[in-house]
Amino acid sequence: AQSVAQPEDQVNVAEGNPLTVKCTYSVSGNPYLFWYVQYPNRGLQFLLKYITGDNLVKGSYGFEAEFNKSQTSFHLKKPSALVSDSALYFCAVSPIWGTGTASKLTFGTGTRLQVTL
Amino acid sequence: NAGVMQNPRHLVRRRGQEARLRCSPMKGHSHVYWYRQLPEEGLKFMVYLQKENIIDESGMPKERFSAEFPKEGPSILRIQQVVRGDSAAYFCASSPRRDRVETQYFGPGTRLLVL
Repeated sequence: AQSVAQPEDQVNVAEGNPLTVKCTYSVSGNPYLFWYVQYPNRGLQFLLKYITGDNLVKGSYGFEAEFNKSQTSFHLKKPSALVSDSALYFCAVSPIWGTGTASKLTFGTGTRLQVTL
Repeated sequence: NAGVMQNPRHLVRRRGQEARLRCSPMKGHSHVYWYRQLPEEGLKFMVYLQKENIIDESGMPKERFSAEFPKEGPSILRIQQVVRGDSAAYFCASSPRRDRVETQYFGPGTRLLVL
């Protein structure tokens, strides 16, 4: 069975500083990895995904994530945080079916990002 | 292109009543997923459906919960005889197809409160 760990319940960063939201995963075989963001009382918005290829994935709103197979990590990063980035961030992993397709997502418990002036 | 639509956005039920949650996938999407989010927790997979087929229901409680995605119309998540523990946000997601790794796009959710 696959699992995702987000070790930090909350990350605090000052606007303009770089941010990192950590994620580690456990899955049999190669993973498909995703980051989503959730604003209060809203659904999840897709940020980026890793399928294969370049370990550095670029996504929406200036976010990027680095896949590290040896450390089984997929940390979310942004060079310069904005107050508007304050939200709940979820890392997710998808198992790979025999044909290489993906299906259900397994989510981490979420990390609340607080960006202050 | 409209996103994933869910209704109602908020639903209040008394214990023992039935709850029906509707999800209309994005245009061109034929795969629907339902997830449940309990307060202060991540999303938990419930069921994965294609038109007229349940593909994976491994996350569905064995009793009182059912889901369908008919040939015409929205996907329905049905909860019979609701209990207070069913209070949660229920999210629907859709994707175009399953022959490659497609992104799942989420709706705004239905927040169910059981009194």
